[in-house]
Amino acid sequence: EAGVAQSPRYKIIEKRQSVAFWCNPISGHATLYWYQQILGQGPKLLIQFQNNGVVDDSQLPKDRFSAERLKGVDSTLKIQPAKLEDSAVYLCASSPGLAGSLRRYEQYFGPGTRLTVT
Amino acid sequence: QKEVEQNSGPLSVPEGAIASLNCTYSDRVSQSFFWYRQYSGKSPELIMSIYSNGDKEDGRFTAQLNKASQYVSLLIRDSQPSDSATYLCAVLGGSYIPTFGRGTSLIVHP
Repeated sequence: EAGVAQSPRYKIIEKRQSVAFWCNPISGHATLYWYQQILGQGPKLLIQFQNNGVVDDSQLPKDRFSAERLKGVDSTLKIQPAKLEDSAVYLCASSPGLAGSLRRYEQYFGPGTRLTVT
Repeated sequence: QKEVEQNSGPLSVPEGAIASLNCTYSDRVSQSFFWYRQYSGKSPELIMSIYSNGDKEDGRFTAQLNKASQYVSLLIRDSQPSDSATYLCAVLGGSYIPTFGRGTSLIVHP
């Protein structure tokens, strides 16, 4: 079974530029998550999708960040314009989301995208 | 704001010892609890999940949950240098939104 795919793996941009990240979850996983992880900290949830609907985006800085999950499969996360403090690793994860299963919230992470804003 | 607290460490244990990692959480209605391992420069990897009070064992790992005390722990028996990593505690709150702690760094020295 293929894991969660993310691209690009690394990105360096200047502040005020825009950037987009792509995620392809494990096949059949209904729930998709985007996290921001700053060095030395735990992952911070930015947005959670259930199929193509948003479950939670309370910590997404909506003035500059946007995310979508078209057709309930792939997802993109965009930052426009970027700030220095956006330098972090952006992690995508998916979970089965199957009703009635205790394992439905077990998350599987992609390799992440390391973003450096200069 | 739902909180998950972990001691950042580092926790240093000798090879072969038991490593004990602790986590407390603030949301009383939380139902699902997870431990992830994260090696330096890598993404988190699920190692244990626990849903009911008591102990759950999987190989050298034991997760312990006490909902009354809002406390979950991870024990690693016969610790190996390859266990050196950051261990992240994650809690699924009543709204099914996950919250991660900052992680505890574990160092197992030969």
